Amino acid sequence: QQQVKQSPQSLIVQKGGISIINCAYENTAFDYFPWYQQFPGKGPALLIAIRPDVSEKKEGRFTISFNKSAKQFSLHIMDSQPGDSATYFCAARGGANNLFFGTGTRLTVIP
Amino acid sequence: GAVVSQHPSRVICKSGTSVKIECRSLDFQATTMFWYRQFPKQSLMLMATSNEGSKATYEQGVEKDKFLINHASLTLSTLTVTSAHPEDSSFYICSARDSASNNEQFFGPGTRLTVL
Repeated sequence: QQQVKQSPQSLIVQKGGISIINCAYENTAFDYFPWYQQFPGKGPALLIAIRPDVSEKKEGRFTISFNKSAKQFSLHIMDSQPGDSATYFCAARGGANNLFFGTGTRLTVIP
Repeated sequence: GAVVSQHPSRVICKSGTSVKIECRSLDFQATTMFWYRQFPKQSLMLMATSNEGSKATYEQGVEKDKFLINHASLTLSTLTVTSAHPEDSSFYICSARDSASNNEQFFGPGTRLTVL
């Protein structure tokens, strides 16, 4: 059972455009929602994270929007650059501090 | 952020041999480390939670006798794949939890295991 659902599976965006990745969860006990960026052959790196008592968090070109009532959250990458091309995973943290990962979104930013 | 290293970064071995992968937290102490497995173009799958000084907790379907985990110090956890077979070929990633940083998990760079 997939605890965190992520879409789209892949995304192609023009340079300078906005990339949007969506995630949804069911377990209301989740207390922390990080996003990770992973390049091929590398481990995931924390990009940005949010707690459920906040509706939006922005760090540079990256913004998380969080809708607690809908149990949905999304990552927005503004002014997308070719260097942003990577796989992005959303995650939710539950009991024992375990992370439940989404299925991943492969982002390609074309020049 | 905190740094986690893994060694080796890649390993090729013959079927039937055992392989040990090390995960180290370089600038913080981690009472808890996690081991994940990732198949190509797929998400991370939690294999086990490693607790310093105690036995690891394995996820359902993960053979504890196949994947031996030792967490002997606050900065080192090891995963040993015993009697490796081609189906064990995968990308293994560890993470370490930093209790001083909101229990954030910091990930290692991963180890590519290829079993011939």
